[in-house]
Amino acid sequence: DAGVTQSPTHLIKTRGQQVTLRCSPKSGHDTVSWYQQALGQGPQFIFQYYEEEERQRGNFPDRFSGHQFPNYSSELNVNALLLGDSALYLCASSPRTSMTDTQYFGPGTRLTVL
Amino acid sequence: GQQVMQIPQYQHVQEGEDFTTYCNSSTTLSNIQWYKQRPGGHPVFLIQLVKSGEVKKQKRLTFQFGEAKKNSSLHITATQTTDVGTYFCAGPYGDKIIFGKGTRLHILP
Repeated sequence: DAGVTQSPTHLIKTRGQQVTLRCSPKSGHDTVSWYQQALGQGPQFIFQYYEEEERQRGNFPDRFSGHQFPNYSSELNVNALLLGDSALYLCASSPRTSMTDTQYFGPGTRLTVL
Repeated sequence: GQQVMQIPQYQHVQEGEDFTTYCNSSTTLSNIQWYKQRPGGHPVFLIQLVKSGEVKKQKRLTFQFGEAKKNSSLHITATQTTDVGTYFCAGPYGDKIIFGKGTRLHILP
């Protein structure tokens, strides 16, 4: 039973560039949430996707966008990268839209913006 | 705003000593979850508490949910080197999950 997978593992970009991160949910899960975790901080909720639509959104600017595909996998896009976007980006899946369900996290993508 | 506060931020204990981390919410929660993140790893779900006053145990770990459902604690008895990591609590606020900043546990041999 495959868990949550994310790619790439690490990424280095420069300011102003755009980045796309990818996530495949745990088998049997249809809801994907994205989190940003800065060094020494807890995960910060970015948004959640279910049935290919953004259902909930945290306090992140429109530069952060996403997509969910029919197979439940998801992408996180960040435009016009800023130095402050450097963080670990975590994808988590769960079996339904309720945020009270357990979050199964992937290994994350470490993004460094120079 | 919605806040989940955890204390302490850091804790150094001798191996074999006990450890406790506390989590406080600004509002009443329907449930609270605990996660552990090893250094260089990702958060891993430990447990979810739902009922007022609930106490759950996992081997040396004891989790409590306060009577008012606004606070929680995680207690580890006789810590081992495998307990090293950051422990996060998280709660639902509306339809979002808010994580605390975590308590980083360091074990001294």
